[in-house]
Amino acid sequence: KQEVTQIPAALSVPEGENLVLNCSFTDSAIYNLQWFRQDPGKGLTSLLLIQSSQREQTSGRLNASLDKSSGRSTLYIAASQPGDSATYLCAVRQTDSWGKLQFGAGTQVVVTP
Amino acid sequence: EAQVTQNPRYLITVTGKKLTVTCSQNMNHEYMSWYRQDPGLGLRQIYYSMNVEVTDKGDVPEGYKVSRKEKRNFPLILESPSPNQTSLYFCASSTGGGVTDTQYFGPGTRLTVL
Repeated sequence: KQEVTQIPAALSVPEGENLVLNCSFTDSAIYNLQWFRQDPGKGLTSLLLIQSSQREQTSGRLNASLDKSSGRSTLYIAASQPGDSATYLCAVRQTDSWGKLQFGAGTQVVVTP
Repeated sequence: EAQVTQNPRYLITVTGKKLTVTCSQNMNHEYMSWYRQDPGLGLRQIYYSMNVEVTDKGDVPEGYKVSRKEKRNFPLILESPSPNQTSLYFCASSTGGGVTDTQYFGPGTRLTVL
């Protein structure tokens, strides 16, 4: 069974510092991997989606990499701002059970001014 | 505006009283799914649907039912709610595949079962 892990569970950085968020998964037979942002009391917003054939995706200050063989994805947020404070979750979709989406527990990020 | 709506947003009920949480999307998405979110456990998938009349179990389906009679709607039914179903519930939809598999989430329904 696929296990998705995000370490650390919480992270605090000063404004301007680059953020590095980690996501690891145990089964490399994934169809895609997504990164989401969740603000307190709100739903999830998709940030980036990486297909299994891709190595990275970029959107503005966000860059996500994928290394299927090692079962890892990393989300980089450049020059963090207080507005980046949120919980970040990754989720993988399996190739052999496409309908299922497995989430990590998330990393709670606080960016201090 | 493209969106996923859920109702109600908040619900307090008692053990054993049947309830339905509605989910509707206006993006003509084929794929819809329900999740529950609990502290320390992240999001866990309850049920999903690949298309009308096609539903399947996620990781935690016990105590829940779903139906997909129309493409836009995917209600979650708790026939006999219990306190361990107290949670934050999310509905999501996507086109279902390829580069457009971005998941769109509803705002969540906070359910308390006494």
